[in-house]
Amino acid sequence: EVQLVESGGGLVQPGRSLRLSCAASGFTFGDYAMHWVRQGPGKGLEWVSGINWNSRSKDYADSVKGRFTISRDNAKNSLYLQMHTLRPEDTALYYCARDAMVAAPPGVGYFDHWGQGILVTVSS
Amino acid sequence: SYVLTQPPSVSVAPGKTARISCGGNNIGSKGVHWYQQKPGQAPVVVICYDSDRPSGIPERFSGSSSGTTATLTISRVEAGDEADYYCQVWDSSSDHYVFGTGTKVTVL
Repeated sequence: EVQLVESGGGLVQPGRSLRLSCAASGFTFGDYAMHWVRQGPGKGLEWVSGINWNSRSKDYADSVKGRFTISRDNAKNSLYLQMHTLRPEDTALYYCARDAMVAAPPGVGYFDHWGQGILVTVSS
Repeated sequence: SYVLTQPPSVSVAPGKTARISCGGNNIGSKGVHWYQQKPGQAPVVVICYDSDRPSGIPERFSGSSSGTTATLTISRVEAGDEADYYCQVWDSSSDHYVFGTGTKVTVL
């Protein structure tokens, strides 16, 4: 069974940093692209960032580009999101999501498995 | 940036058919995916690549896409279908994944 478990969220002051982690199990993690998707309180889904299977391709939403960095450790079956210079508008539930297609280039797949999400609150 | 527009809400009686639209520039040329999100839960994909149903999704869910509109159709609606639904595409011009604005389906 595919499992994605996020951790590292919490309350943080504006301008500070936070690192999210996603522990994957139940599949060959290194074969799949992975993504972070967030959902602000009472709002819709927003794709944040994606990384391909071998870390050679990374993409970011305009709203986080230059502040967030996605990375992965295939040996540890883990995905990360390093968030810097956090803003109140970054407050959201952050989901880790798996791309449906094995070793696919960006855009080919969709999000076939999701974690339960981790809450990040940016407030003073 | 690429925008996907959905109606904020759709209401439907049990047993009837719900249709949810997703409008975007030339969306018919892109692969459209649909997600269902129930309160307090993570999204679940119900339709991929315009009209394909992932394993475990009931046949009552179907999709189509042409021109500037994609449509998710839920036939013989049940109370358990009450949820938020989002369309999603890949915008190759920006290398971004884009979600629609979301539609809340209420079963009367």
